Amino acid sequence: AQKVTQAQTEISVVEKEDVTLDCVYETRDTTYYLFWYKQPPSGELVFLIRRNSFDEQNEISGRYSWNFQKSTSSFNFTITASQVVDSAVYFCALSGRDNDYKLSFGAGTTVTVRA
Amino acid sequence: KAGVTQTPRYLIKTRGQQVTLSCSPISGHRSVSWYQQTPGQGLQFLFEYFSETQRNKGNFPGRFSGRQFSNSRSEMNVSTLELGDSALYLCASSLGGLAGIEDTQYFGPGTRLTVL
Repeated sequence: AQKVTQAQTEISVVEKEDVTLDCVYETRDTTYYLFWYKQPPSGELVFLIRRNSFDEQNEISGRYSWNFQKSTSSFNFTITASQVVDSAVYFCALSGRDNDYKLSFGAGTTVTVRA
Repeated sequence: KAGVTQTPRYLIKTRGQQVTLSCSPISGHRSVSWYQQTPGQGLQFLFEYFSETQRNKGNFPGRFSGRQFSNSRSEMNVSTLELGDSALYLCASSLGGLAGIEDTQYFGPGTRLTVL
């Protein structure tokens, strides 16, 4: 069965600090998809990135970057120079044939950025 | 392009009642999925509809049901409400090609249901 673990429940940083969110996954699939979503206080889940298992290239989008390491089953997310607007709950998710392509979510990491 | 919309945004019901939630997907999206989010259980998959047919189902009792219309809009119904049904119900839409392949789900703002 698929499983996503986000070991960090809460992270608190001061503005402009970097913050890294860990995500470790388990799956029997050889082809699968990894996602990160952001949930601000308004409640809506905002899509950030999708990564295919056969594409291990890291990605950077503005202040966001993702490090995918298949060897350690990890898909970590870094926010560089954090801002107060980054305060939210961040979810890592996994989908693949093993769970009929449903999204399996981690428990989420609450990030609080203090001014 | 308009995003996923859900109505109502907030709902208060009492135990034993039933409730219907509505979701309008992004234009062109044919798949609609529903998730329940609670502090204790996190985000859990309820079901997915594609072309008016339920394509996937999570581990929820039969009190939870849904349907999809020809315009891809979807409704979710919960009958005989229990206190534990209090949650944020999120709807997500996607293009809905081959089951999840290269597909991304975009979420609506959710309906917050409180059962008293």
